Amino acid sequence: DILLTQSPSSLSASVGDRVTITCRASQSISVYLNWYQQKPGKAPQLLIYAASRLESGVPPRFSGSGSGTDFTLAISSLQPDDFATYFCQQSHSTPGTFGQGTRVEI
Amino acid sequence: QVQLQESGPGLVKPSETLSLTCSVSGDSISSYYWSWIRQPPGKGLEWIGYIHSSGTANYSPSLKSRVTMSHDTSRNQFSLRLTSVTAEDTAVYFCAKVIGSPPGRFDPWGQGILVTVSS
Repeated sequence: DILLTQSPSSLSASVGDRVTITCRASQSISVYLNWYQQKPGKAPQLLIYAASRLESGVPPRFSGSGSGTDFTLAISSLQPDDFATYFCQQSHSTPGTFGQGTRVEI
Repeated sequence: QVQLQESGPGLVKPSETLSLTCSVSGDSISSYYWSWIRQPPGKGLEWIGYIHSSGTANYSPSLKSRVTMSHDTSRNQFSLRLTSVTAEDTAVYFCAKVIGSPPGRFDPWGQGILVTVSS
């Protein structure tokens, strides 16, 4: 199985801050890496797919980068609606696996 | 747009079988892959597996001996069956559409259903 390790597990930030979250895969997954945002009591929502492609309707302050084993999700200017938990997920091979999540708090 | 809705019992006794159904509207389940994913309270996401309208299925190795997925194209639904449940199976269970080749990415998701395993 491909293990995904996110860091940090949680972070505190303020509105307007630039935030970066990393996801490291235990083996190369090319660009088969997706990012989701989850708010309490809700289902995750797809933000970024194929490492850097913005899902339709997602604000451009979100961006993704990386390939191989190291990936980054960046939020250029944190907005109040962005306080949530973020998960990476690999779509390279089954079984599908997720990172453990990064909680972004005020 | 595509909408998914999970349904089933919210409480299952230990050693019994968990059965959930995902109803899909706004799209046909034919020719697509569909997945189940779960999330224990306060924890991360776990991929359970996927099923294709052809009947092809693939399950997580850690659950494979207890999981069966099926589909009903006439009702536009797909289902999850998990046998011999324990407290460790307590989780919110999500169904989702798979985009791309499996495991793929997941979009959209159902709202999720909390299943508690307890006597």
